[in-house]
Amino acid sequence: RKEVEQDPGPFNVPEGATVAFNCTYSNSASQSFFWYRQDCRKEPKLLMSVYSSGNEDGRFTAQLNRASQYISLLIRDSKLSDSATYLCVVSSFSGGYNKLIFGAGTRLAVHP
Amino acid sequence: AAGVIQSPRHLIKEKRETATLKCYPIPRHDTVYWYQQGPGQDPQFLISFYEKMQSDKGSIPDRFSAQQFSDYHSELNMSSLELGDSALYFCASSTKDGLRTYEQYFGPGTRLTVT
Repeated sequence: RKEVEQDPGPFNVPEGATVAFNCTYSNSASQSFFWYRQDCRKEPKLLMSVYSSGNEDGRFTAQLNRASQYISLLIRDSKLSDSATYLCVVSSFSGGYNKLIFGAGTRLAVHP
Repeated sequence: AAGVIQSPRHLIKEKRETATLKCYPIPRHDTVYWYQQGPGQDPQFLISFYEKMQSDKGSIPDRFSAQQFSDYHSELNMSSLELGDSALYFCASSTKDGLRTYEQYFGPGTRLTVT
């Protein structure tokens, strides 16, 4: 079982739709949580860090539920340019340093 | 803003050859991470360095080694290359700066093809 699990999708949605991605993680000692976006053959780009209180950045809202070890990302008013793979990422903290554990990613395709 | 720089962007090598990948972190970032992403896979952590010392080790093969230099750039050395080493190699950097301590910023990657 992977340490970070995501629904692989693909999610095919029309422009303007609201779409939600979910992610679960198995290490209860995980400290930090992120959503990254990756376009085909490009590097992962940090979309947003996820804080315990939840956070919003424009059309994007991220939520964290530590008790359930669950992270979500909500995208409102989808744009064609939102088409990408969304990676749920958890920071594994050991010895004072962290490494990122990636989920397999959820593919989003926004169509006209 | 300056980003992580990686070179070369593309590299083609034959089996059993060696390769060296370079990474220049974002200015004032003190920690460098290396990841390997195979086709259709998620990035896998290889190794990291903080202040020129190895800080953590992941699934890095014994054939690979890495170091961080005094100017904070890092090099990943790969020897006895195998076909299975063909992948995208990403470098990421971060800095200990309050809330942003654990945010890692990725370079564009080096695409290594082993033939």
